[in-house]
Amino acid sequence: DQQVKQNSPSLSVQEGRISILNCDYTNSMFDYFLWYKKYPAEGPTFLISISSIKDKNEDGRFTVFLNKSAKHLSLHIVPSQPGDSAVYFCAARGTGANSKLTFGKGITLSVRP
Amino acid sequence: DSGVTQTPKHLITATGQRVTLRCSPRSGDLSVYWYQQSLDQGLQFLIQYYNGEERAKGNILERFSAQQFPDLHSELNLSSLELGDSALYFCASSTEAGLAGIKQYFGPGTRLTVT
Repeated sequence: DQQVKQNSPSLSVQEGRISILNCDYTNSMFDYFLWYKKYPAEGPTFLISISSIKDKNEDGRFTVFLNKSAKHLSLHIVPSQPGDSAVYFCAARGTGANSKLTFGKGITLSVRP
Repeated sequence: DSGVTQTPKHLITATGQRVTLRCSPRSGDLSVYWYQQSLDQGLQFLIQYYNGEERAKGNILERFSAQQFPDLHSELNLSSLELGDSALYFCASSTEAGLAGIKQYFGPGTRLTVT
């Protein structure tokens, strides 16, 4: 049972435009959501997080939006740069005894120059 | 550079064998996590240690075990290896004492190939 889903395996956008990466989850007990970025031959790197009590968190070019009623979050990158080309993982943290991080399968973002 | 080191980078071994993967966390981090990433899969949480003690267990097979030593480095032992164990194994560390640190720092991973 996949509790965190990234249904689109890939996304291609033009440099300078907005990239929108989507993530859906099924467990309403998640209390934190995170995005990680991964380049080839490297480990994932923490990008941005959002608490379940917020609906938006912004850090420079990166903004994460959370829609709890729809159990959906999205990562917006504006403007997109070629260096943003990477695999992006959505992750969610459970609460209490099940507070491990659950990751989605990832989305490969390609930013065309 | 996340500050988390993993050795070896690559490992090729045969079915039925046993291997040990090693991880050194960032300086000062007490929590170590192990993840497995198989082909086309997200990162699957295996196990977490905090200051030498097991804190949380995920989808870790009985053939796999881990430990964290007094100097805080951790080892993941995989035994009776099967072809399906071929994957990238990541180690991560965090400063947080909670069951799952919000911000985890990942190592570069060990690619295990079982032939």
